[in-house]
Order: sequence, then structure tokens, then C-alpha cells
Amino acid sequence: GAVVSQHPSRVICKSGTSVKIECRSLDFQATTMFWYRQFPKQSLMLMATSNEGSKATYEQGVEKDKFLINHASLTLSTLTVTSAHPEDSSFYICSAREIAGGSREQFFGPGTRLTVL
Amino acid sequence: AQTVTQSQPEMSVQEAETVTLSCTYDTSESDYYLFWYKQPPSRQMILVIRQEAYKQQNATENRFSVNFQKAAKSFSLKISDSQLGDAAMYFCAYGKSNTGNQFYFGTGTSLTVIP
Repeated sequence: GAVVSQHPSRVICKSGTSVKIECRSLDFQATTMFWYRQFPKQSLMLMATSNEGSKATYEQGVEKDKFLINHASLTLSTLTVTSAHPEDSSFYICSAREIAGGSREQFFGPGTRLTVL
Repeated sequence: AQTVTQSQPEMSVQEAETVTLSCTYDTSESDYYLFWYKQPPSRQMILVIRQEAYKQQNATENRFSVNFQKAAKSFSLKISDSQLGDAAMYFCAYGKSNTGNQFYFGTGTSLTVIP
């Protein structure tokens, strides 16, 4: 059943660089994908809703120019952390919902651990 | 945004016993979805059980069941016959019923299963 992958699983970068994280739905099509961040021992905080073919919708307090989201196809969404700083270090998780997902269930990727030095 | 509260940061249960995890939420909507997700050390989120708000009957999935009290905005998870593999972080989630279908998660409960 529904599998979501993320790449890379871990990334370490220097402060000031940009990092791109990919989220793919492997066996289903997703018009909507979601991006979360999770700090150690904390909950998942919704950052943005990624809509295929249109602009992402960001949650209050999330900088859209800092976290660029592109949902170019029905199976791929990307999150780019621009000019990363140490405070951006976190675990980033994406999820996807099937086009015909009447259950409203979201399928989650395995997450990407970002460390900014 | 909707708020979801899990008042038990940590819980423990003896193997084969029953444990109940609490969750309350705040919303002005009448139609929504509720979920319990499990996050083991691998960090992969795994769906445990879901409940549609318009259904009065409590959802069950094998050893997992919920007590959904809509008026009280309460959604607790009962795990029966606890197994060592049940040890994980458990998150309660509120899902909007609109086309956006955003999820909002509680703070989580860390469940330890004692052999």
C-alpha cells in the first residue's frame, strides 16, 4: 500500500547554504502533500500544505521565503531550506494524501534529519 | 489552528495489560477526523486508528480501540494485551475535513511496555 519516500534521509550542511529535500509518493498520486518539522522529543508541527500546480499554503509563523516548496507533479514535492542556519536543524517529515483518499489518511515519509553547522 | 492536548507525556504498562492514552482537542467544526499515530524509534509515523467525527460508533482495530466523546472533545486510545512492540511515541491528530485536510498533532505520549 501507499508508500512515501524522502531523500535524503540525513543531510549536514554549512550555515548559509541551501538544502533541498524531496518527498515522493511511490505508488499513488497525491495532489496534496504536507511538510512538518519535529524538534527532538516534540510533536510534529505543520509547516505548509503543498498543492500540485499551485502555490503552497504556509502555516502562521512559517517564513515562505525561507522554506520554499514546489509541488511540480502528482508524485513529487520538494522543500528547500534557503540560507540555512543552525536553528533550522530539525527533523523534517512529509506526508501525502491520495487523490481519491476518502479516508483522509495521510501517509508519512521516513523523515529527513537536517543538521546545519 | 486547532489545538490538540495530550496530558500524559509518559505512560507505562505491563506486558499483556491494558493502557489508555488521553487526548482532548479544541475545535468549532462539526465535521472532522481524528487519528492516533505511533512513532517508534525509527521516526516513521504509523497509523494506528482513525475516527470520523460524524460516526458515533467507536473505532476498533484489533487490540486498539478508541473512546470518542464528541461533546467533551475527547478521543482516548485503549491498547489491550500490550506487547513489547507497542512501545513508542503516540500522537493524537486532528484532521480537518475540508479539501486542505491539514493535520494538527498533540504533544505525544511516550509509552513504555514493561516485560
